[in-house]
Amino acid sequence: NAGVTQTPKFRILKIGQSMTLQCTQDMNHNYMYWYRQDPGMGLKLIYYSVGAGITDKGEVPNGYNVSRSTTEDFPLRLELAAPSQTSVYFCASSYSPDRDYEQYFGPGTRLTVT
Amino acid sequence: QKEVEQNSGPLSVPEGAIASLNCTYSDRGSQSFFWYRQYSGKSPELIMFIYSNGDKEDGRFTAQLNKASQYVSLLIRDSQPSDSATYLCAVNMYNNDMRFGAGTRLTVKP
Repeated sequence: NAGVTQTPKFRILKIGQSMTLQCTQDMNHNYMYWYRQDPGMGLKLIYYSVGAGITDKGEVPNGYNVSRSTTEDFPLRLELAAPSQTSVYFCASSYSPDRDYEQYFGPGTRLTVT
Repeated sequence: QKEVEQNSGPLSVPEGAIASLNCTYSDRGSQSFFWYRQYSGKSPELIMFIYSNGDKEDGRFTAQLNKASQYVSLLIRDSQPSDSATYLCAVNMYNNDMRFGAGTRLTVKP
């Protein structure tokens, strides 16, 4: 199993451009999450999904959109990129959100907006 | 008050010592609590989870939870240089919304 994969690993965007960060998991997990991590900070939840066709906002959803058309994929869309969106983005998945099930993280995408 | 607070450190301990990491949280309804380890430039990995008051031990790691005080801690016994990393405390809130602390950077000196 590849686990959670993310593409691209690095990206530089100009202000106002758009892009999609890809996330795929092959563990048949129901739950998927998108986080951002700013330098020296913890992770902040952007969006999460409890299954195909169902998504919900996390702590910092503004400026982002998500979709979940399949169990495996959970892309994150940035519209009109801003310097404040410069961060490392992590995708994660878990079988369940319950306390006994850990979240598996992808390797991250480092995004710079200039 | 931040929802999840940790001392940012850095915390430095000699090899073989006990490292003690602390975390407080604001939501009394929180049910489950996690400690993640994150090496520089890498993604977080789960070390421990705990949801009942008291202690939970796994090898050299012990998680302690006190819901009345809204406090969770992680003890690392016989610290090794390979334990040097940032430790993130995470709290699963009532609506599956996971909130993370800013992390404590630990350095174990040989």
